[in-house]
Formats: sequence, structure tokens, C-alpha cells
Amino acid sequence: EPEVTQTPSHQVTQMGQEVILRCVPISNHLYFYWYRQILGQKVEFLVSFYNNEISEKSEIFDDQFSVERPDGSNFTLKIRSTKLEDSAMYFCASTYRAVSYEQYFGPGTRLTVT
Amino acid sequence: AQKITQTQPGMFVQEKEAVTLDCTYDTSDPSYGLFWYKQPSSGEMIFLIYQGSYDQQNATEGRYSLNFQKARKSANLVISASQLGDSAMYFCAMREGLQGGSEKLVFGKGTKLTVNP
Repeated sequence: EPEVTQTPSHQVTQMGQEVILRCVPISNHLYFYWYRQILGQKVEFLVSFYNNEISEKSEIFDDQFSVERPDGSNFTLKIRSTKLEDSAMYFCASTYRAVSYEQYFGPGTRLTVT
Repeated sequence: AQKITQTQPGMFVQEKEAVTLDCTYDTSDPSYGLFWYKQPSSGEMIFLIYQGSYDQQNATEGRYSLNFQKARKSANLVISASQLGDSAMYFCAMREGLQGGSEKLVFGKGTKLTVNP
């Protein structure tokens, strides 16, 4: 069964450094998402992406964040200058169409900012 | 106001028994979808079941069923015949504006289910 993959599974970085989290959505999916989950808290929406542009973003998704689909398979989340509070699990999700029943989530990347 | 409320931080159930995990939601949009996801200790998010606001019947998927009470704005997950592997966090989520509205899922805080042997 096709699945969303994410790399790395765990990333440790120092405050102020740039990080890029990578995702490979399911191949025929057209809508892509990033969510984050701070340890012990609920999952929060960051951004949605369709047709090579951001379709929706949350208040969390400020100028420090950017997303890109550099080729036909990868979908990336970049944090330009990480802060301690960016430490969280970051989930990528994808779906074939916006009104599809479910968004398929990847296994997540645990980002630790020290 | 919270869009999704899960009032049970933790629940315990004996193996082979049924358990209900509560979820209430708040929306003024007539077109919305309700989702349940399971998050085992390994961290991934696993889709379990979906209920659309216009669906006439309660959704079922194997041992999972959704007790949808639209007037009460509740969408409780029922797990029948609990198994040890059901021990996990369970999140209720909602998507509003199914017909061309927001795509984001809004999640509740989750309920930690522990299945005892």
C-alpha cells in the first residue's frame, strides 16, 4: 500500500540553524500539508500546498517557515532560523483531492532544537 | 472556543471489552467532516474512520464505529472487542467547509487509551 515517507526520522539542530524536513507524498496525490505536534500536545496545522503554491497557512507558519516542491516527488518544510520552541514532531500529509475523506500522514520527523 | 473537545485525558479498558472515546465539536458550518486518528507510541498518525456531516448513517470500519449525534455535536468513537494493540493516543479531528472551504484538520487534545490484559 502506498505511503507517505519522511526523512529524517529525527533531527537535532542548534538554535538559529536552518533545517529542511523532507517528505515524499503518495505519488498521485495533489494536496500536501504540514502539521506539527509539540510533545504531549495536540496536532496543529501549519500549511497546505496545492498546484505549487500555498493554499492556506496558520498563524504558526510565519516568515521563518517556507515550503517547496522542488521536483515531482519531494515536498519540503524549511525553518530558516530555528528556535527552542520549534522542537516538535512534524508530520507531512497528503491527499488526492481536497474533499477526500482522509489525509494520509507520514511517520513524522522529530525535531529537537538545542 | 475549542473546536474539538476531548474530555477524557485517559481511559482504561479490559481486553475484549468495548470502549467509547468522547468527542464534541463546535462549528457553524453545515458541511464538515469528522475524523478519528490513532497515534501509537511509535508516533505515526493512523486514520481510523470518517463521518461526513450529511451522512445519514453512522460510519463503521471493522471494530471501529462512530456514534454521530449531530444535534448534540458529538462524534464518539466506539472500539469493540478491545485488543492490547489498541493501546494508543486517539485524536478526534474536524475539517470544515468540505465544499471548497478550509482544508486543514483541527485536532482535539487526544485521549490516551490503555487496554489491560
